[in-house]
Amino acid sequence: DNQMTQSPSSLSASVGDRVTITCRASQGISNYLAWYQQKPGKVPKLLIYDASTLQSGVPSRFSGSGSGTDFTLTISSLQPEDVATYYCQKYNSARTFGQGTKVEIK
Amino acid sequence: EVQLVESGGGLVQPGGSLRLSCAASGFIVNSHYMSWVRQAPGKGLEWVSSLYTASSTDYADSVKGRFTISRDNSKNMLYLQMNSLGVEDTAVYYCAREKSNAWDDAFDIWGQGTMVTVSS
Repeated sequence: DNQMTQSPSSLSASVGDRVTITCRASQGISNYLAWYQQKPGKVPKLLIYDASTLQSGVPSRFSGSGSGTDFTLTISSLQPEDVATYYCQKYNSARTFGQGTKVEIK
Repeated sequence: EVQLVESGGGLVQPGGSLRLSCAASGFIVNSHYMSWVRQAPGKGLEWVSSLYTASSTDYADSVKGRFTISRDNSKNMLYLQMNSLGVEDTAVYYCAREKSNAWDDAFDIWGQGTMVTVSS
């Protein structure tokens, strides 16, 4: 199975900080990678697809990069409303999710 | 408005069965790849199953042979038949739409979820 491993599992940062979350696939997946945001008690929301394409309506402070096995989600300036758990997901064959990264405000 | 609404969750005993339904509105369910995702209490997202075409399906190893995904085009509905349920299947179950019907794609529309509790 192609596993998705995210790091860190949690982080705490200050408002305005640049935040980076990484996701690694155990086998290459080209750019078949999405990032989702799930706020507490809410439904997951698509942020980025095809590794780096911003979903309509998502703030431009979110960006994605990578290809093959290594991917990154960056929040350029952390805002209070960004407190959430973030998941990566591959979608070539089995749609496997990473284990999630919980983002909190320091 | 494009929307997915799940139903059919509830309390079931170990070894029992349950069928989840997902009603789609604002789009045609057979024009997109569709999936089920679950989330156990306090845990992360787990992909369960996907339906690509009427005869092309995929399942997570954890549910293979026990769960069946299907679609009723006349009712614009997606289903998940769950058999031989165990306590490890306790979770909120979401149905989700993929952006495309022609290639593998991300999940752009999610339902609000339905809770399944497996307990004696």
